[in-house]
Amino acid sequence: QVRLQESGPGLVKPAGTLSLTCDVSGLSIISSTWWSWVRQTPGKGLEWIGEGYHNGDTNDNPSLKSRVTISVDKSNNQFSLTLRSVTAADTAVYYCAFRTQSPGSGAFDLWGPGKMVTVSS
Amino acid sequence: DIVLTQSPATLSLSPGDRATFSCRASQSVSGFLAWYQQRPGQAPRLLIYDTSKRATGIPARFSGSGSGTDFSLTISSVEPEDFAVYYCQQRYNWPLSFGGGTKVEVK
Repeated sequence: QVRLQESGPGLVKPAGTLSLTCDVSGLSIISSTWWSWVRQTPGKGLEWIGEGYHNGDTNDNPSLKSRVTISVDKSNNQFSLTLRSVTAADTAVYYCAFRTQSPGSGAFDLWGPGKMVTVSS
Repeated sequence: DIVLTQSPATLSLSPGDRATFSCRASQSVSGFLAWYQQRPGQAPRLLIYDTSKRATGIPARFSGSGSGTDFSLTISSVEPEDFAVYYCQQRYNWPLSFGGGTKVEVK
């Protein structure tokens, strides 16, 4: 059974860096899969942050103005999100998820339970 | 960027009713549209991908249809566990994007 679990600080100071890790079990991080981050706020709904592939390829949302780094750790079967220069607008529930290439669905097959992160001094 | 607009924002129904809601894209997504269900306090769950393909374990009462820019999700007979928020999402172009959601509530 595939499982994802987010971990990291729940409180980040303004102008600081948000760092989250997603532990993956039941599926190899080097499979034909994009490892993704999505966040959810009451005001903006679901927002795709970006995704990484085990070969180092990444895609991210231009709306986040190049503040995002997503990396895949093959040794520990996990992937991570770094979001720099955070403001209160980055307060959200952060989800890790994955989507599998063909013959997979290409959609977000499974999500972690989510991690609430608050940006506040 | 592709903007997805869902309607209605809220749908008030009774168990056993048929539910249909819409997702309209600002440009063609060529069938690469998915639907998710989110219950309170839970992560979204994939229901439908590529317009009409049910994800593993999803009951047959959920069906999707559409093409180009207009898509819909239908629940043939709403069960008590179906009262939730439903989101559409496109994977045709980066950045991937989601609609604003339709809440299905008890009438």
